[in-house]
Amino acid sequence: SAVISQKPSRDICQRGTSLTIQCQVDSQVTMMFWYRQQPGQSLTLIATANQGSEATYESGFVIDKFPISRPNLTFSTLTVSNMSPEDSSIYLCSVGAPTQAFFGQGTRLTVV
Amino acid sequence: GNSVTQMEGPVTLSEEAFLTINCTYTATGYPSLFWYVQYPGEGLQLLLKATKADDKGSNKGFEATYRKETTSFHLEKGSVQVSDSAVYFCALIINTGTASKLTFGTGTRLQVTL
Repeated sequence: SAVISQKPSRDICQRGTSLTIQCQVDSQVTMMFWYRQQPGQSLTLIATANQGSEATYESGFVIDKFPISRPNLTFSTLTVSNMSPEDSSIYLCSVGAPTQAFFGQGTRLTVV
Repeated sequence: GNSVTQMEGPVTLSEEAFLTINCTYTATGYPSLFWYVQYPGEGLQLLLKATKADDKGSNKGFEATYRKETTSFHLEKGSVQVSDSAVYFCALIINTGTASKLTFGTGTRLQVTL
């Protein structure tokens, strides 16, 4: 198993600003995943972050809006840039194994 | 591609009623299947999983059986409690030998009343 710590757990931000979410894992992992859960919706994958390479973004998500860093095998950040109210969501970090996935507690973001 | 289809919610039941939440999937490979639960205001928790056909996952009185012939993984509980009120997500991972992303269903909200 893996223990994932996400910070901040929640935040209220002004539109037009940026927020960086941190994800720390208690073990070294090759791949980390960032998901978004909009209010009342399911989880959608934003991107996959591999250490030492550019993140791979899913359709509908772009690096300028959601830049990701992966400086080592236990840490990643997701930045939500130039925020608008439509970015109000829960953002979750995840790591996995071939038949398992573990999630952080999520960051509940409200943009006003 | 891969997809997960869940029954529409919300599902409203009286306490001690029997619960079934349907989940079917399509997958290009050989998936592992999961049920996650999200209690109000909380994060996502793994409820149970099954990694091969005919496996039964179980936890907290919930069960789901991996049915390859019907590509289904329906969640059941014999007697629900008010504390089971939450959103339930069915999900799959394709086993590629390395970590892979989850594909989620849309979620089913369960409301249990006294």
